[in-house]
Amino acid sequence: DARVTQTPRHKVTEMGQEVTMRCQPILGHNTVFWYRQTMMQGLELLAYFRNRAPLDDSGMPKDRFSAEMPDATLATLKIQPSEPRDSAVYFCASGVTEQNQPQHFGDGTRLSIL
Amino acid sequence: KQEVTQIPAALSVPEGENLVLNCSFTDSAIYNLQWFRQDPGKGLTSLLLIQSSQREQTSGRLNASLDKSSGRSTLYIAASQPGDSATYLCAVPDTSGGSYIPTFGRGTSLIVHP
Repeated sequence: DARVTQTPRHKVTEMGQEVTMRCQPILGHNTVFWYRQTMMQGLELLAYFRNRAPLDDSGMPKDRFSAEMPDATLATLKIQPSEPRDSAVYFCASGVTEQNQPQHFGDGTRLSIL
Repeated sequence: KQEVTQIPAALSVPEGENLVLNCSFTDSAIYNLQWFRQDPGKGLTSLLLIQSSQREQTSGRLNASLDKSSGRSTLYIAASQPGDSATYLCAVPDTSGGSYIPTFGRGTSLIVHP
């Protein structure tokens, strides 16, 4: 089965450090989502790409977060500088949304900022 | 703005019971509705996707129904098993402006005990 692959699975670092999370969407999928999940807020959308173009990043703190898709096989989410409140699980999902196809999620990156 | 509510938030039942999980949404102009399952430490797995023109979808012991006019969907789990223990989330894409950005409910945490 095709899968969305996220790396790293776990990341522990000190506040102020740069964090980069990577996602390989399923081949042929044209939409990519970045989500953050916490107990308090549930699942929040951070960024949304269609055909590699960013369409919505209104949920992302722009002073420290950035999301890119340098090519169709790689999406990145960066945090610089990181803060303890960024500790969460970050999920990437891909799909072909306009065709009523389901989203497929990666297993997430569990991020802890000390 | 679409709001999605899931009731109950948590459910604990003995094995063998038939279950109904509820999902309600405020804007009935939906494109589709998707049910997901999330196991601890994992990403979301798509269970069923109901298109706006459909009334229900079935997969094995799972049946999801959709009533757009009342803004409700139910996920029916027949003959529940301990392996069904997980969090179940529903998601509805926002079709305004062609964005298809999904809004997720907070989920129903299900425990099926032997």
